[in-house]
Amino acid sequence: EIVMTQSPATLSVSPGERATLSCRASQSVSSNLAWYQQKPGQAPRLLIYGASTRATGIPARFSGSGSGTEFTLTISSLQSEDFAVYYCQHYNNWPPETFGQGTKLEIK
Amino acid sequence: QVQLVESGGGLVKPGGSLRLSCAASGFTFSDYYMSWIRQAPGKGLEWVSNIRSSGSTIYYADSVKGRFTISRDNAKNSLYLQMNSLRAEDTAVYYCARGKYYIDYWGQGTLVTVSS
Repeated sequence: EIVMTQSPATLSVSPGERATLSCRASQSVSSNLAWYQQKPGQAPRLLIYGASTRATGIPARFSGSGSGTEFTLTISSLQSEDFAVYYCQHYNNWPPETFGQGTKLEIK
Repeated sequence: QVQLVESGGGLVKPGGSLRLSCAASGFTFSDYYMSWIRQAPGKGLEWVSNIRSSGSTIYYADSVKGRFTISRDNAKNSLYLQMNSLRAEDTAVYYCARGKYYIDYWGQGTLVTVSS
C-alpha cells in the first residue's frame, strides 16, 4: 500500500500571503494525485487532479505541481475562505486510493 | 446539479448491522464508478469501497473486507453499503462519492456510531 505523508501538519499563514503545502508518496504515483479542501462540518471538495489540473470552478490562486513522489499545493494569495484542512490522495495502482493525513491551514 | 444524499446512519451496538443508502441525482448515475469514503471523528479520510458503473467490479479496503458489501441499483439511481459485524473503529461519517480515481462530488455524509 502506498503511504501518503503531508507536511506540515499545521501551517499558519496571514491572509494575502502565499501558502505551500507538501505531499510525499512512499513510491511513485506518477501524476495520479488529487488535492481536496475540507472545511469544518462539510464534505471535502476537489481542488486539483492529475497533480496540476484545477477542478471545475476552482480559483486560479490554487495550483498544484509535482510528479513521482513529491507534490505541492500552492495558494498564491490566501483569502479568508481558504483556511481549512487540505488532503492529498493518490490513485495510482489502486485500490486502495490512500489519502494523506491532512494539513490544517490556519490564520496567523 | 449533482446531488448525493446519504441516509441510514445511526447508533448501533458492536457486532450489529446497518445499511447505508445514497440517492443520486443530476447526472447519469449508471455511467459512473461510485465510492464510499469514511472519516472517523477528528481524523482523516479513509477510502472504504468502490463499484464499477455496471456493478461488475467491486473493491474493498482491507479494514472492511468480509464485513461490508457495496451494491448499486442503477434503475433507482442508488448506492448502498451493507455493514455487518460492526466494530467501534467503524465509527465515522460515511460519504457517498462519485469517481473512479479522484472524487469529484461528495455527499454531505451520514454518521455511524458503534457503541454499547
